[in-house]
Order: sequence, then structure tokens, then C-alpha cells
Amino acid sequence: GQNIDQPTEMTATEGAIVQINCTYQTSGFNGLFWYQQHAGEAPTFLSYNVLDGLEEKGRFSSFLSRSKGYSYLLLKELQMKDSASYLCAAPNTGGFKTIFGAGTRLFVKA
Amino acid sequence: ETGVTQSPTHLIKTRGQQVTLRCSSQSGHNTVSWYQQALGQGPQFIFQYYREEENGRGNFPPRFSGLQFPNYSSELNVNALELDDSALYLCASSLAGRENTGELFFGEGSRLTVL
Repeated sequence: GQNIDQPTEMTATEGAIVQINCTYQTSGFNGLFWYQQHAGEAPTFLSYNVLDGLEEKGRFSSFLSRSKGYSYLLLKELQMKDSASYLCAAPNTGGFKTIFGAGTRLFVKA
Repeated sequence: ETGVTQSPTHLIKTRGQQVTLRCSSQSGHNTVSWYQQALGQGPQFIFQYYREEENGRGNFPPRFSGLQFPNYSSELNVNALELDDSALYLCASSLAGRENTGELFFGEGSRLTVL
């Protein structure tokens, strides 16, 4: 079966760094995605990892360890606008069905 | 701007009624997936359409059905509405193919309230 676990909520301070963890179990592996979703809006793509290691994209980085079934999203220099839900997601083999975690709601405070 | 458009954006129905939600995929995308997102939860996969045929289905009853048209737009139909069907329904388009990473491009969603 497939399962994705991530913390429900996190709070961090503006300007700080926060790491959002995700563990996954999938039938086959076809990459690991992170999406950002602001309240009342659609999810938008943040990152995609298919190989082990760190992918850096501006203030956001994503890490993957396939052997551990583990990923994290790292947000640096937090801004108030980063307050959102962050969704960890994994497509199944064949890519027709992407499973999402419940999302981690990040609150950035001044 | 993702290019995926959904209609209607909000609607209210009563139990037992039927609803049709519509989605136009992003230009060039041939695959449409539908998701149900309850408040505070992640999106739950309903089904995917590719080349006008259902290409995979999640754990949803048969009263959830869909269509894809030759222009790749899609409809989600829900019959015999129940209170628990109240949710945000998200349409996501993607491009099937060997080079495709599986990235999903979401529309803004249709928020359904069942009373």
C-alpha cells in the first residue's frame, strides 16, 4: 500500500529556517513532490526529487533518501507569505495516481 | 497562471441531488486527475482520465463518475449527494509520456457544500 506521513502543524519565526519532514511508503518509487497550498487556493508545485540528495531552489530546498523513505523540505529566510500548507506527494508506479500527505500547516510569526 | 480552469467555483446542493463539475486542462496537457480535499486534509485521488478513458481510480464509490472529452476537458459527476461529499474538488492536468515527471497543475477548485 501507499502511505505518507508528515507533521500536522509547525510554527516558526520570520527570518528563521524550518524543516518539514515527510516519510513515505509507496508501491514502487516514481519520485517525491512537494506542493505549497495557501488557504483557499490550489496547490502549486515546489520541488521534485527522484534521486537521493538535496535539490536547492532559491530559499527552498528538498532532500530525499530513498533507502529510508524520507524527505524534507527546507525553507530558509522565512517570510510571512510562507504561511501555508505544505503537501508531500508521491506518484505510484505508472504515475497515474499521486498520493498526498495530509499536509503540514506552517505558521510564520513576526 | 496554471491554465487549468474549473467551474463553478462554489455551489450548494442538498442531499440526494446530483452535481456536475467541469475542468479545462492546461494547453497541451492530455491527462486530467480529480481530487477531493476535505477541510484540513490533503487531496484524495478520485480518478484520472487519459485519452477519454478512466486510467485509474481511488477508493470512491461508483456514484462518482467522470468523462474526458476530445479536447481533454473533463467533468466530474456525483450522484446521490451525501453530507460528507462537502469538500473542495480539485482538477489537475498533466502530460503523460516518458519524460513526464508527474507534476500536477491544479485548478482553483470547486467548493461543494451539501446541506
